[in-house]
Amino acid sequence: DQQVKQNSPSLSVQEGRISILNCDYTNSMFDYFLWYKKYPAEGPTFLISISSIKDKNEDGRFTVFLNKSAKHLSLHIVPSQPGDSAVYFCAASEGNFGNEKLTFGTGTRLTIIP
Amino acid sequence: GEEVAQTPKHLVRGEGQKAKLYCAPIKGHSYVFWYQQVLKNEFKFLISFQNENVFDETGMPKERFSAKCLPNSPCSLEIQATKLEDSAVYFCASSFGRSSYEQYFGPGTRLTVT
Repeated sequence: DQQVKQNSPSLSVQEGRISILNCDYTNSMFDYFLWYKKYPAEGPTFLISISSIKDKNEDGRFTVFLNKSAKHLSLHIVPSQPGDSAVYFCAASEGNFGNEKLTFGTGTRLTIIP
Repeated sequence: GEEVAQTPKHLVRGEGQKAKLYCAPIKGHSYVFWYQQVLKNEFKFLISFQNENVFDETGMPKERFSAKCLPNSPCSLEIQATKLEDSAVYFCASSFGRSSYEQYFGPGTRLTVT
C-alpha cells in the first residue's frame, strides 16, 4: 500500500510564478518529512524538510507546509526558475533519531516554462 | 569524502549471474541505506546499516540479496543469481543520524539484467 502519495504526476508552471507540489500520507507514525529533487541519471538531492511539530519551514525560495490533521504537506517554490525543472519526491520517516528508512512518494515532474 | 560515491555507474549481467554494487558513504556519517528504484519512480527501501551493523533489513528480499558494511571498506550490495526483475537503479544514501534526518544520496548504479 502506498503510504506517501503524490497524486499529480506532472505540473507545468510559468517562469517567475509559484510552483506548488502536493503530498499526502496515510501513516500516523510519520513525524519527519523531506522533499528531494531529482534530475535524470542523478541521485535525489535533499531540498528541505519539516518536523511534525512544525507547520512551516522556509529556506530561500522553498517553503514546506505541513497540515498534520489532514495528513498533507506541500512544497512552494517562488519564484520558479528554469533550473527547477526536475522530478520532486516527497519522503517521510518514523521515529525521532534520524536513522529510520525513508518512504517515498512516486514523484511529480515539474516543468518550468520560460 | 563530501559526497556519496557509488560504483559502477552501469552494470549489465546475464540472468543467473552475480552482481555486486559498491557504496562509499560521506565521511563521518554513521548510517548507510540502500534503495531500489524500479519503474514509475518507485523507491523501495532494502536495508540500512549503523556503521558495520545491520540496522534495518525489513526491505531485503529473503533470497539472493545480501549486503555488508565492513570497516575501512566501501559498503556492498550483492545479488546472487540475478533475475530480469532485479533490473533497476540502486541508490545508496548516508546520514549522520543522531536527530539529523537528511539522507544524502549517491548517483546510483543502473543494473540491467538480460
